[in-house]
Amino acid sequence: DAKTTQPPSMDCAEGRAANLPCNHSTISGNEYVYWYRQIHSQGPQYIIHGLKNNETNEMASLIITEDRKSSTLILPHATLRDTAVYYCIVRPTYNTDKLIFGTGTRLQVFP
Amino acid sequence: DGGITQSPKYLFRKEGQNVTLSCEQNLNHDAMYWYRQDPGQGLRLIYYSQIVNDFQKGDIAEGYSVSREKKESFPLTVTSAQKNPTAFYLCASSTGAGVTGELFFGEGSRLTVL
Repeated sequence: DAKTTQPPSMDCAEGRAANLPCNHSTISGNEYVYWYRQIHSQGPQYIIHGLKNNETNEMASLIITEDRKSSTLILPHATLRDTAVYYCIVRPTYNTDKLIFGTGTRLQVFP
Repeated sequence: DGGITQSPKYLFRKEGQNVTLSCEQNLNHDAMYWYRQDPGQGLRLIYYSQIVNDFQKGDIAEGYSVSREKKESFPLTVTSAQKNPTAFYLCASSTGAGVTGELFFGEGSRLTVL
């Protein structure tokens, strides 16, 4: 079973910030939060990951709550090319086995 | 450029035939994975390997087999025992246990059973 819970779909206007939530209430202290996205019929693409602190890169920002039970991926200025399925997964630092992807959030960016 | 190459991109198979999907990486990654994706669904783990000559079953290994004779290669065989093999198959790799490397995915192989 997936260790994360995400809304099945979200809409966002082009140019606005897209905020994608993820619940991971059973996360352990040694587990990272990773975000990937999958554009239709392609392989998933890595976006960002974090452990405790908020993280930012050229693609997105990741906000992790202080209790680490939830996080939010922020695309600051969504474009039509950001339309994709976004997956939030948790991953232990000591082992890479059984990386579980849930069904993700289908983000639709509209003009 | 470094990356993961899956082949073929599209494959058609008759019922009762085995088929092997290729996955090659030149990223020098220790760990490799095979996932299956059905329409509108997330990714489900079939097999994974953390080191050469070793691999473990994922959540849906029945009807599939793998080998890991070389670090760069992790082929997946879909056998006739897999009752519903039509799906999109994704191979991935990462730097392996003990580090938090990201997963790199190939572009996928779409298998259709006629």
